Amino acid sequence: DGGITQSPKYLFRKEGQNVTLSCEQNLNHDAMYWYRQDPGQGLRLIYYSQIVNDFQKGDIAEGYSVSREKKESFPLTVTSAQKNPTAFYLCASTDQHGQGNYGYTFGSGTRLTVV
Amino acid sequence: DAKTTQPNSMESNEEEPVHLPCNHSTISGTDYIHWYRQLPSQGPEYVIHGLTSNVNNRMASLAIAEDRKSSTLILHRATLRDAAVYYCILSGQAGTASKLTFGTGTRLQVTL
Repeated sequence: DGGITQSPKYLFRKEGQNVTLSCEQNLNHDAMYWYRQDPGQGLRLIYYSQIVNDFQKGDIAEGYSVSREKKESFPLTVTSAQKNPTAFYLCASTDQHGQGNYGYTFGSGTRLTVV
Repeated sequence: DAKTTQPNSMESNEEEPVHLPCNHSTISGTDYIHWYRQLPSQGPEYVIHGLTSNVNNRMASLAIAEDRKSSTLILHRATLRDAAVYYCILSGQAGTASKLTFGTGTRLQVTL
């Protein structure tokens, strides 16, 4: 079945360390997105990519970095510059460069905790 | 980005219809109306979306006001598995990068 796979499901990081969250999709979707969710809150956009080798900052990109070397992969690195990284991270994808008339598919998320 | 307004929470009895409202008075002419739902510790799940006409699918119906300033998600027979946070979202214009902006949504409780 096609879908989005995020790994790992749970991740623990020591302060000052960088960590990379994986997001892989086999839906042949053009656009991919990373969101962050804090308890009781909605989702906030970190980065998004419409095509391979191109990506744009979202609303809260500081302290994060991404790459889009392959259509099916969009890894997110949480750097030591992110002051409050503990959160639930969600990856999503959609077809046709992210035009508004297509639904989005979300992964099951990675819960990152800084210890 | 155009904003949406939803009630924080709603309750329903099982097997009864549920009408979840959403106001989006600043919607632009090319914004699509999306609905997603999220169960605890899971990613959001697509429910339905539309532009101007009412839409039906196996999960729900979407009723869009004639002036497009509000919409209603209709679950025809609520079950316990429908208990979730429901998000009403406006997408970007077609042809540009469409970014979903999530609010805090409506938490739906379904009771026996």
